[in-house]
Order: sequence, then C-alpha cells, then structure tokens
Amino acid sequence: DSGVTQTPKHLITATGQRVTLRCSPRSGDLSVYWYQQSLDQGLQFLIQYYNGEERAKGNILERFSAQQFPDLHSELNLSSLELGDSALYFCASSVGQGMFSPLHFGNGTRLTVT
Amino acid sequence: GENVEQHPSTLSVQEGDSAVIKCTYSDSASNYFPWYKQELGKRPQLIIDIRSNVGEKKDQRIAVTLNKTAKHFSLHITETQPEDSAVYFCAANYGGSQGNLIFGKGTKLSVKP
Repeated sequence: DSGVTQTPKHLITATGQRVTLRCSPRSGDLSVYWYQQSLDQGLQFLIQYYNGEERAKGNILERFSAQQFPDLHSELNLSSLELGDSALYFCASSVGQGMFSPLHFGNGTRLTVT
Repeated sequence: GENVEQHPSTLSVQEGDSAVIKCTYSDSASNYFPWYKQELGKRPQLIIDIRSNVGEKKDQRIAVTLNKTAKHFSLHITETQPEDSAVYFCAANYGGSQGNLIFGKGTKLSVKP
C-alpha cells in the first residue's frame, strides 16, 4: 500500500459529462501529481500542485482542471468528456521539499467514457 | 520540449538472462532518475532511483547507470525471473527539485521460463 488513496476506482460515464476524481496524498507529502495512462501508452504528466499551489503543467487539456485543497487532498475535474478521455488516471504524491523525492502512486481511477 | 526517450519498447528474454533498458533525457538540469515497474492492472512502483551525483547504483539483481555527459541512463536486471515480467518506465525530473517527473513510454519485459 503506497498510502495514496484515489477514489473512485472505476467510473463509467457518457460523452459530454463531467466527472471529479479525488486523491488523498500520503501523510506528510505536500506535492500531488496527476498522470493519465491510456491503453498501451505511457504515463502522461498532467499537472502538479505543491502545498495548494499549481507548480507545473503538462499536456493537460483546457477541459480538465485540478486543485489542491488546504488539507492537501486534490481533485481532478474532467468536463465535456470525449471517448478519447477513457484512460487510467493516476495520482501520485511526494514530500516535495529539498531534493527531488520519489513519487508514490495511488491505485488509479479507471475512467470509461461511452 | 521536455522529453524522455526509452528503448526498446518490448524485450523478451529467457529466464536467467540479463535485460537492459536504455533511456535518454533532454534537460541538462535533470538530477533525479527513477525507474518504475508496473504490473498489469496495477500502479507503478518505484524499484530503484539514482541521483546525478553518482554514476551507478545497485540493489540485488537490479542496477542503474547514469552518464550525465551523454544524458543517458540504463536499467540492468540480471538473472531474470518470470516475476520480473512487467512494463518498466524510466523517468527524469524537470523544473528542479520541486518540478515534475517526465516518463518514458515504457518497456514491456517478458521473461520466458
């Protein structure tokens, strides 16, 4: 168990809808990262938050947004969903201070858009 | 832009043989290079990492080497076992110590008994 909790585990929704994915980082970790993994694809970096502030942005679509709350949990919002958004979405967390520290991944949320 | 190239994309070896996976990165400021193993349907798990102040690190059957001049790093698995079969991802950090990890596209390793 990595200590990173993601909910829900599975999500099935229709095109055009909006969903929210939730992540609770490991205790003590200040950085939260979101990654998208499509079928047979690598891990695409979406966005990073550090202690409540956006720190880095990757290939995140404008239809997607995220935030990190004062209690350090994070949510990834996906709107106007398309079939191509079907993927496994991972959250990861790290200490985020000083030297770069290892990422610890949650078990992911599998999103299916029909 | 930020990029990590990983080769090969698939690798098949006989049990007991060695496996080598190679990665290159583009940002000369990168200083942290982890390797993750992802079994089917599971989360990526860190297996070994190396920082730029060392050239090699070993942990039992796994070793990682780093050539900062050439911006190359490699994963070496010796005496492979069927349970080593998985997808392996290399990564490099961008944006300094508070930055993010960019991953390679992965190598699917199959170890045949």
